[in-house]
Amino acid sequence: NAGVMQNPRHLVRRRGQEARLRCSPMKGHSHVYWYRQLPEEGLKFMVYLQKENIIDESGMPKERFSAEFPKEGPSILRIQQVVRGDSAAYFCASSPIGGLGSPLHFGNGTRLTVT
Amino acid sequence: GNSVTQMEGPVTLSEEAFLTINCTYTATGYPSLFWYVQYPGEGLQLLLKATKADDKGSNKGFEATYRKETTSFHLEKGSVQVSDSAVYFCALSDETGTASKLTFGTGTRLQVTL
Repeated sequence: NAGVMQNPRHLVRRRGQEARLRCSPMKGHSHVYWYRQLPEEGLKFMVYLQKENIIDESGMPKERFSAEFPKEGPSILRIQQVVRGDSAAYFCASSPIGGLGSPLHFGNGTRLTVT
Repeated sequence: GNSVTQMEGPVTLSEEAFLTINCTYTATGYPSLFWYVQYPGEGLQLLLKATKADDKGSNKGFEATYRKETTSFHLEKGSVQVSDSAVYFCALSDETGTASKLTFGTGTRLQVTL
């Protein structure tokens, strides 16, 4: 039973380029969450999605960041015109349901470096 | 809003020492509480959880008790091993609506030496 799969593991982008991070949830999971971990900090919630719907994007920066979870295929976190401050580890998590006390299963993350 | 406060690290212990990592929280309602562990270069793994007051979560020798009166969820282990070296995150779930959104503490790095 494969866990949450994220790719790529490491991504290097120059300032101004676009970054695309992919996340395939665990089999049977229809809820996906994206978190960002800045160096020496805890994880910060970014966005919560179900298939084809954004449920909560209260943690997403207002500009340049977008997320989707299409009917078919992985969830995508897209960062346009990256800046050095976007350098971080981005973690995806999934759960079978979104309710009370549902434990999240995390992927190994994508480490984005902006040069 | 919700928040989680953890003791700052790093915590350095000798093998077989007793471990306590403090965690306190601020939340509305009755959140569920979690401890996650992150090994180097990996994602977070759920270590244990408690969903209501006075519940004790336990796993792999680690324990934490949900204390509503002190709003705490301290992590303990009686005898640590070198393999326990990792970063430990305390978290609570946001139960507004149907989201199971987690609020994390900043993490506590544990280093266990021989």
